[in-house]
Amino acid sequence: QKEVEQNSGPLSVPEGAIASLNCTYSDRGSQSFFWYRQYSGKSPELIMSIYSNGDKEDGRFTAQLNKASQYVSLLIRDSQPSDSATYLCAVNKGFGNEKLTFGTGTRLTIIP
Amino acid sequence: EPEVTQTPSHQVTQMGQEVILRCVPISNHLYFYWYRQILGQKVEFLVSFYNNEISEKSEIFDDQFSVERPDGSNFTLKIRSTKLEDSAMYFCASSRDRQETQYFGPGTRLLVL
Repeated sequence: QKEVEQNSGPLSVPEGAIASLNCTYSDRGSQSFFWYRQYSGKSPELIMSIYSNGDKEDGRFTAQLNKASQYVSLLIRDSQPSDSATYLCAVNKGFGNEKLTFGTGTRLTIIP
Repeated sequence: EPEVTQTPSHQVTQMGQEVILRCVPISNHLYFYWYRQILGQKVEFLVSFYNNEISEKSEIFDDQFSVERPDGSNFTLKIRSTKLEDSAMYFCASSRDRQETQYFGPGTRLLVL
């Protein structure tokens, strides 16, 4: 089982619609969860961090965490063409571990 | 807004040569990291560095790799004898604390011929 799993896509969403990105992780003790956006040839750019169960909203983005189901998601409302990118889910195990374990990413395309 | 910087942006080298990749982390950050991303693959952790020593490293980070903080601002990754499979994008990152957000630099694209 992969440590962090994401559907690789591509996921195509019409402009203005909601894009839903999902991620599951295998280590039940994981503590910190991050969504990064990566444009082709560029570095990961932080979108959201989430540490406790529930929803966290920041502008058009909402991260959702369910530790019991080992599931974290990202919703993008009012999708814009500039949101077209690869979205990376990253997990930190905590308890003295510092590394981020990344999923393979979901490629999102917003269709004008 | 403070950001992580990396030099060079691109590096081409011959197999067996040594390369040094340089990073300037965000100034008040205490934890520094190197990751790599082979083309088309996921971002992989190499090493973390805190208080002038390695705090965690992956299986990828073998004896060919070393890290150093030669002064108060720079953080370097050295690959002693490059292999073809070292060709990748190398990202430096930094964070204020252990489990806080890691901010990534723009990367160095390394090509080993």
